[in-house]
Amino acid sequence: GNSVTQMEGPVTLSEEAFLTINCTYTATGYPSLFWYVQYPGEGLQLLLKATKADDKGSNKGFEATYRKETTSFHLEKGSVQVSDSAVYFCALIQGAQKLVFGQGTRLTINP
Amino acid sequence: EAQVTQNPRYLITVTGKKLTVTCSQNMNHEYMSWYRQDPGLGLRQIYYSMNVEVTDKGDVPEGYKVSRKEKRNFPLILESPSPNQTSLYFCASSLWSGRATDTQYFGPGTRLTVL
Repeated sequence: GNSVTQMEGPVTLSEEAFLTINCTYTATGYPSLFWYVQYPGEGLQLLLKATKADDKGSNKGFEATYRKETTSFHLEKGSVQVSDSAVYFCALIQGAQKLVFGQGTRLTINP
Repeated sequence: EAQVTQNPRYLITVTGKKLTVTCSQNMNHEYMSWYRQDPGLGLRQIYYSMNVEVTDKGDVPEGYKVSRKEKRNFPLILESPSPNQTSLYFCASSLWSGRATDTQYFGPGTRLTVL
C-alpha cells in the first residue's frame, strides 16, 4: 500500500539556519503530495502541496519539489525563525481523499 | 469564519463508558474524516464520509462508529472505549470534486484518555 517516510526527529536548529526535512513516499500512480504543520496545541494546517511531478509548492518561505524519479518531497526553508517551531507532517493522497501521513518531525528553533 | 469544530477538546473517561466526540464544519464540504494521532505513527484514518449517509472504514476502524445524517456534522462514537483508544483525535473536511487534490481542513483535536 501507499506509505510515507519522514526523517526521524526531533530536529533542533538555531534561528536563521537552513532547514531540510526529508520525505520519501511509496505509491502506485501519481499521488498528490502535501506538507502539513501542527503548532503546539492546534490542529493541522496545510503548509504547501504539489499535485504533479516537478511541481514546486511554496508558502511562508518553505518550499518542496515533487520529485518522481526519487519519490521524494523534501521540505526546505532558507532561514528558520523561532515561530517555525512545530511538528511537520508529510502526506500523500490518492483516490478517495484519503491522506496517508508520515510519522511527523518535531522541529525546535532556538533564538 | 470557515472552520472545523470538535467537542470536547479534552476528555477523561473509564473503560466501557460510551462516548461521542462531535465534529461540525461550516464550509458545506462533502467529505469528512476522522483520524487518530499516536506518537511515532503519525495520523491514521479511522472512518470517512463522502456525503450524507455515505460512510466507509479507514485504516483503523475497530472500536469506532460514525454517522452522517447531516452534511455539516460527523460524530465519532466509541460504544465501549478501551485504554488502547487513548489518543489525540482529529476531524477533517474538504470539498469533494472527484480529484484527489482538495485541501483538507482540520479541527483543533480532542485529547481522549481512557482509564
